[in-house]
Amino acid sequence: DAGITQSPRHKVTETGTPVTLRCHQTENHRYMYWYRQDPGHGLRLIHYSYGVKDTDKGEVSDGYSVSRSKTEDFLLTLESATSSQTSVYFCAISDGTGSYNEQFFGPGTRLTVL
Amino acid sequence: QQQVKQSPQSLIVQKGGISIINCAYENTAFDYFPWYQQFPGKGPALLIAIRPDVSEKKEGRFTISFNKSAKQFSLHIMDSQPGDSATYFCAASKRTGNTGKLIFGQGTTLQVKP
Repeated sequence: DAGITQSPRHKVTETGTPVTLRCHQTENHRYMYWYRQDPGHGLRLIHYSYGVKDTDKGEVSDGYSVSRSKTEDFLLTLESATSSQTSVYFCAISDGTGSYNEQFFGPGTRLTVL
Repeated sequence: QQQVKQSPQSLIVQKGGISIINCAYENTAFDYFPWYQQFPGKGPALLIAIRPDVSEKKEGRFTISFNKSAKQFSLHIMDSQPGDSATYFCAASKRTGNTGKLIFGQGTTLQVKP
């Protein structure tokens, strides 16, 4: 398995509270991604990073911010959590090389916003 | 807007049968089409992928068929086994810029009965 960890693995929080999810990699890959997985929607890209301090929005970025101060860490922040952000969040990494630019996924974080 | 549409949502197949999952895309700039397999409680993992310069790719019991003119591609699992029971996602991306962003289909839950 690619060296990707996510923390916490499970979190229950209340509407309006800030939440930060962490993705940590030991592969030294350039690209990192945050997805959310919801039934009927598959996986949708929230934000991604193409280098330290270089980030960009994905298709469902509203209500989320990210930061990447080190190659190995990519943080996803919900400034004020809402019930619609209840989901399973996956981090993925890619080295951006090779024919298929394969993404490797972490184990996921299950977030419940009450 | 859903740029990659996947069907069926769920599929039940007998052991030894053929499982077929279909995807259709809209953006003709897509040039990379992977399939990911996800077991419960785990992150997705790359199963097989194809580029549009070929019409078929086979790896063991798994085959991707690609129809560029119809903008469709499908996953065939031959001799389906109970261990293949999982959720399958098709995806698409553009290699331009090489950020590797993936657009996923909605997912298909496959159950292979013994």
